[in-house]
Parts: sequence; C-alpha cells; structure tokens
Amino acid sequence: SQQGEEDPQALSIQEGENATMNCSYKTSINNLQWYRQNSGRGLVHLILIRSNEREKHSGRLRVTLDTSKKSSSLLITASRAADTASYFCATDPPWAGNNRKLIWGLGTSLAVNP
Amino acid sequence: EAQVTQNPRYLITVTGKKLTVTCSQNMNHEYMSWYRQDPGLGLRQIYYSMNVEVTDKGDVPEGYKVSRKEKRNFPLILESPSPNQTSLYFCASQQGNGETQYFGPGTRLLVL
Repeated sequence: SQQGEEDPQALSIQEGENATMNCSYKTSINNLQWYRQNSGRGLVHLILIRSNEREKHSGRLRVTLDTSKKSSSLLITASRAADTASYFCATDPPWAGNNRKLIWGLGTSLAVNP
Repeated sequence: EAQVTQNPRYLITVTGKKLTVTCSQNMNHEYMSWYRQDPGLGLRQIYYSMNVEVTDKGDVPEGYKVSRKEKRNFPLILESPSPNQTSLYFCASQQGNGETQYFGPGTRLLVL
C-alpha cells in the first residue's frame, strides 16, 4: 500500500532556479527518506530525516518535516540540468515491524532545462 | 566500493521459461528486498529477507520465489514467467530497521 504522495507529479524549471517538491503521508513514521532516480536506473538515497527532526541540509538539498501535518518538502537550490530525475519520498512506519519496509510514494518528475 | 549488483540488466524471454535474476551486496547487510516498478504504480515490494534462510512475502509475491542461502545473495526466481511480469526490477539492501536502502541498477524484463 502506498503511503507517500508527492506533489507535484511533474515539475519543469530553468537551470539556476529552485525546485520544491512535497510529500504527504498518512500514518505516524519513524523517519522519512528522499531518493532520486535517473531515468530507468536504480534509486539513490539523498537524505533521511527522523521524526524528531524538523529540518536537514545536505549540500544544495534542504528537507523539512512537519509531523503535525504529516508532510515533508524537498528543496533543491540552484538547480542544474543534472538534477533532472524522479524524486521519491519513502516513510518508515512503526507498524512495518520486522519487515523494515519503506512505504513509497509515486514520485515527482523534475526536468531542469538548460 | 559499497554496492548492490544485479544481473542481467536486460532480459527478453518467453512465457513459461524459468529465469533467475541475481542480486548481490557487499555491505554485509542483513536485510534485502526485491521490488518491481511499473508506471503509475510506483515501487511495490515482492519479497524480503531479514537474514540468511529468513524470507517473507511483500505486497506482490505471486509468481515469484526467492532464496537466501548466503548473506550477500538474494536471487529472484520466476518459475513460469507471464507477460504481466514485464517490469523493471530492483534489488535493495539495508542494515538497520528503517535505515537507508541501497539499490541495484535494475533489471528490465520483457516477457513475450
């Protein structure tokens, strides 16, 4: 079952602009992760934010988490053509138990135009 | 280099011909998982394994088998592939509960 929902589904921006993607989820979480997927390739982990954290940075990435609204946002600053990819959020819910299962959203497709 | 490898990367086969997709990780991770990715459906878990000889069904296990005889390897077996198993398959591993997953490069399977 899918828990995360990314918004927007698709985003097209010019190089140098900032890109913001949002993720909403339905149940409580232990942490929320963002991944990037270049076309047809494997997913690459970007950043993990725990439920007791509100904001995290990694290079040009900034992730926020609002557990009261059950939402997270990923901001990519000063975007580059190489940032063109699909971005997925994944949540680690307490109820997954031994499965250690991550619950995945359907992704935001980002196109950065040169 | 820490990595998850999958083979083959691309495979075209016919209905009913048994196939195996291999997956190997060199990070000594206990947990491994297989996903399939289909347009509009996102990533769906097929099977997972919490350790050697411990496997269990994910969300879409029908038509698939797995085994975990060694910690590093987690092959996916399609005993009698059907066209609805045409998909992009990913193997992933992780160490701790809810921690980062490391993905293989994917196997694109076409069943005719």
